[in-house]
Amino acid sequence: AQSVSQHNHHVILSEAASLELGCNYSYGGTVNLFWYVQYPGQHLQLLLKYFSGDPLVKGIKGFEAEFIKSKFSFNLRKPSVQWSDTAEYFCAVNAGSYIPTFGRGTSLIVHP
Amino acid sequence: GAVVSQHPSRVICKSGTSVKIECRSLDFQATTMFWYRQFPKQSLMLMATSNEGSKATYEQGVEKDKFLINHASLTLSTLTVTSAHPEDSSFYICSARDRGDTGELFFGEGSRLTVL
Repeated sequence: AQSVSQHNHHVILSEAASLELGCNYSYGGTVNLFWYVQYPGQHLQLLLKYFSGDPLVKGIKGFEAEFIKSKFSFNLRKPSVQWSDTAEYFCAVNAGSYIPTFGRGTSLIVHP
Repeated sequence: GAVVSQHPSRVICKSGTSVKIECRSLDFQATTMFWYRQFPKQSLMLMATSNEGSKATYEQGVEKDKFLINHASLTLSTLTVTSAHPEDSSFYICSARDRGDTGELFFGEGSRLTVL
């Protein structure tokens, strides 16, 4: 069975700091990978996704993620965070059954 | 992107009553919808997969008689929490996948259920 691990549960940063949120998954076959974001009071929405091709994926709002197959990782990065990036971030893996499995989520707070 | 709408967004009910939550795909047809439950500060727990025109597939540990799911059309799935109890209080989220099946899920706004 597939599983997803997000190591950082709570992250607090100041504006302009760089961000990296870890995501590791366990599944030996082909996977589709996603990062979803949930802003305060809003529903989940897709930040970026990887299906195949270039392992460095660019998403909305300046986010990017790199798929490293050998490390079973799909870490999310942003060079300079903003106060508006305060949100919950969920990594998800979709393999085989096409039912995505979500990580526990990371709460990001950005201080202005 | 595609739009999924949930209703109601908030509901408060008395213990022992039943509550129905609707999930609609507004601009696409969804043969498959998923129902999740989210506890505070925790991840989304998949409860069941709802398939249009057939019985839902429930995850282990989820009571099918407690959480009735109906997916009568390609744009509507409903979750009914029967004989609700305070421990059923939670945030319920539905999601749907376009028939194109790219793997991307589109999420509803969520429904906050409070059972008194």
